[in-house]
Amino acid sequence: KQEVTQIPAALSVPEGENLVLNCSFTDSAIYNLQWFRQDPGKGLTSLLLIQSSQREQTSGRLNASLDKSSGRSTLYIAASQPGDSATYLCAVNTGNQFYFGTGTSLTVIP
Amino acid sequence: GAGVSQTPSNKVTEKGKYVELRCDPISGHTALYWYRQSLGQGPEFLIYFQGTGAADDSGLPNDRFFAVRPEGSVSTLKIQRTERGDSAVYLCASSLTGPYDTQYFGPGTRLTVL
Repeated sequence: KQEVTQIPAALSVPEGENLVLNCSFTDSAIYNLQWFRQDPGKGLTSLLLIQSSQREQTSGRLNASLDKSSGRSTLYIAASQPGDSATYLCAVNTGNQFYFGTGTSLTVIP
Repeated sequence: GAGVSQTPSNKVTEKGKYVELRCDPISGHTALYWYRQSLGQGPEFLIYFQGTGAADDSGLPNDRFFAVRPEGSVSTLKIQRTERGDSAVYLCASSLTGPYDTQYFGPGTRLTVL
């Protein structure tokens, strides 16, 4: 069964800092990987979707990379802002199913 | 519609009761997913619909859980004989054609079984 791990579980950074969130998965046979953010008490908001044939995707200050063979993805956030504070989740798609990590809780301190 | 909606937002029930949770996907999205999220955990896959049919229901924990999507749009997750362990946030998501597309999530239904 696919297992998804996110490190660190929590991260606190001062405003303006660049940061990297990590996601690892045990089975490299994936179709795509998606990064989400979740605000307290809310649903998930999609940030970036990387297909298995792609190595990275960018949206604004966010850049996600995928190394399928090593089972890793990173989410890079540039020039962090207090509004970036949320839990960030990665999910891997193995066909019809999606496996989520437990998330990284990010706090950006003004 | 503008986004995925779920009703009710909160549901409190007693152990042994039957509950129904509703999901309205984005208009035109053929794929619909149900997840369950416990506190401090990531969402856990329950079932995936493609149109009216369940393409994968292997995540349903037992036969007390059942989901339908009779007209290929709205879906209902049904839980019989609820147990305290069923307490969680139930999330619904939809995507345009299937698992290769971006998933859009609803706000969830918080189910509490007393």
